[in-house]
Amino acid sequence: ILNVEQSPQSLHVQEGDSTNFTCSFPSSNFYALHWYRWETAKSPEALFVMTLNGDEKKKGRISATLNTKEGYSYLYIKGSQPEDSATYLCAFPYSSASKIIFGSGTRLSIRP
Amino acid sequence: GAVVSQHPSRVICKSGTSVKIECRSLDFQATTMFWYRQFPKQSLMLMATSNEGSKATYEQGVEKDKFLINHASLTLSTLTVTSAHPEDSSFYICSAREPTPSRDEQFFGPGTRLTVL
Repeated sequence: ILNVEQSPQSLHVQEGDSTNFTCSFPSSNFYALHWYRWETAKSPEALFVMTLNGDEKKKGRISATLNTKEGYSYLYIKGSQPEDSATYLCAFPYSSASKIIFGSGTRLSIRP
Repeated sequence: GAVVSQHPSRVICKSGTSVKIECRSLDFQATTMFWYRQFPKQSLMLMATSNEGSKATYEQGVEKDKFLINHASLTLSTLTVTSAHPEDSSFYICSAREPTPSRDEQFFGPGTRLTVL
């Protein structure tokens, strides 16, 4: 059974602080790992698609790293702002039919 | 990025009625769309893969007669929850895969909150 786990489940961070959270996934048959940001009442928005071991991708203050050998990815947010408040999902494609299994998400709240 | 719409965003219905949810890709053609369900405090669970012009592929444990999926065109897939019961109350969200070599990136609709009384 494929399992994608995210930790922590929720996180409260002071505005201006930096933070990070984890996604763990099966290390065998790796194809890609996706990160999404999901704000309340909006569609999940793709942040990163990561494919290579050691990859590091950056989008503004948000960056992500990938370790396919040990099966984890970190998402970092530098200098958190209130607009960063959202649920961050990681997702693991697991078949040629493009099926994706999602982690349960990390709910991030930024305190002004 | 590609845009996917979903309608309605929220629906309340009586037990025993059927509810149809539409998922549309607005600026691209999607041969494949996916339907997910989210239970409170849990992750998105794939229900079925909707293929244009053919039958949907359902995940294990999902009743195909209960959750009817129709993908009649390259821009529209519908999910009909038949004879809805309170346990069907949930958040349903669709996604569409853009047919480009983009590492299976999926674009999501905003979801539909279904409440069955």
